Amino acid sequence: QVQLVESGGALVKPGGSLRLSCAGSGLILSDYHMSWIRQAPGKGLEWTAYISITSDSIQYADSVKGRFTISRDNAERSLYLQMNSLRVEDTAVYYCVREYYGSGGQWGKGTLVTVSS
Amino acid sequence: EIVLTQSPATLSVSPGERVTLSCRASQSISSNLAWYQQKPGQTPRLLIHDASTRATGIPARFSGSGSGTEFTLTISSLESEDFAVYYCQQYHNWLWTFGQGTKVEIK
Repeated sequence: QVQLVESGGALVKPGGSLRLSCAGSGLILSDYHMSWIRQAPGKGLEWTAYISITSDSIQYADSVKGRFTISRDNAERSLYLQMNSLRVEDTAVYYCVREYYGSGGQWGKGTLVTVSS
Repeated sequence: EIVLTQSPATLSVSPGERVTLSCRASQSISSNLAWYQQKPGQTPRLLIHDASTRATGIPARFSGSGSGTEFTLTISSLESEDFAVYYCQQYHNWLWTFGQGTKVEIK
């Protein structure tokens, strides 16, 4: 079964750090451009970060620029999101998303990040 | 940043009705638009990419149209499993943005 599996979500205090991971099952992650997209509880979708296949193109939403770092390890077939200086407003389900014709063709089930004191 | 505005925010319809959802971009994005469906507690599902191309496995009752700044998602005859929130998303550049969503609810 082809799927994306996120991990690393947790409860963290404001100002803290967290690292999310995403692994592919039944697909080779290194073959695709990838993104992280988040969804706050009861809210809409917010694209967060993008990384190209070779990591030569990386983009961030303004809301996370300077605090979050997207990376990938193609040898390990994994995608990461390092989140620093976390804020209450970063609370969300974070989805690992495979790019497909410029859109989100495949989504993981998500991992919940809760930022609260 | 390209802003996407969806309308209406909520649509109350009966099964079998034709549904038209709108998405307007703050600047031209050519045909670089996708539509997603999200049901409660579920992951978003890609319906349409490149404004009018159905994704794999998407029923023919879903269709997309438009280019530039005006886009439409049409469901020709609404079925019970189509009640959900629908989002548009632009990828004119790699700074993706989403619309705020349109909720299609049972009338």
